Amino acid sequence: AQSVSQHNHHVILSEAASLELGCNYSYGGTVNLFWYVQYPGQHLQLLLKYFSGDPLVKGIKGFEAEFIKSKFSFNLRKPSVQWSDTAEYFCAVKTGANNLFFGTGTRLTVIP
Amino acid sequence: DTGVSQDPRHKITKRGQNVTFRCDPISEHNRLYWYRQTLGQGPEFLTYFQNEAQLEKSRLLSDRFSAERPKGSFSTLEIQRTEQGDSAMYLCASSLIGSNEKLFFGSGTQLSVL
Repeated sequence: AQSVSQHNHHVILSEAASLELGCNYSYGGTVNLFWYVQYPGQHLQLLLKYFSGDPLVKGIKGFEAEFIKSKFSFNLRKPSVQWSDTAEYFCAVKTGANNLFFGTGTRLTVIP
Repeated sequence: DTGVSQDPRHKITKRGQNVTFRCDPISEHNRLYWYRQTLGQGPEFLTYFQNEAQLEKSRLLSDRFSAERPKGSFSTLEIQRTEQGDSAMYLCASSLIGSNEKLFFGSGTQLSVL
């Protein structure tokens, strides 16, 4: 069965620090990969996605993620975080079926 | 706001009662999903519709749960004989076929079973 692991449960950074959130999945076939974000008091929204092609994908608000097939990973990165990036971040995987499997999420707190 | 709407936002019920939630997707979206999220966990897939057809249902979903989308527009999720373990946030999402699976989520219905 598919599964998604997010290693960091809570990350605390100061503004301007660099961010990397880990995501690993277990599935041997073709996958589509996503990062969703949930800002405080708001609903989940798509940050970025990978379907095919360039394994380095860029999303909104300066985020990017790299798909490394050999490591079954899709880590999220941002070179310099802002206070407004405080949110919960979810990695998700879609396999052959038309539904997403989500990780447990990583809570990011950015200190001004 | 023409996003995904869910009603009610909060529901408190006693164990053993039935509850029903409603989801209104973005109007032109033909796919509709129900997810459940508990504290400290990511959303867990429950079921999915394409137009009015329920195409997939999680094997983990109890028979007490049923969902409908009778006219291919809004959807309802009913939980019969609620249990305390059903307490969770119930999320609805919709998408358009061919949109590369970009899901638009609603704000959810928070269910508390006492």
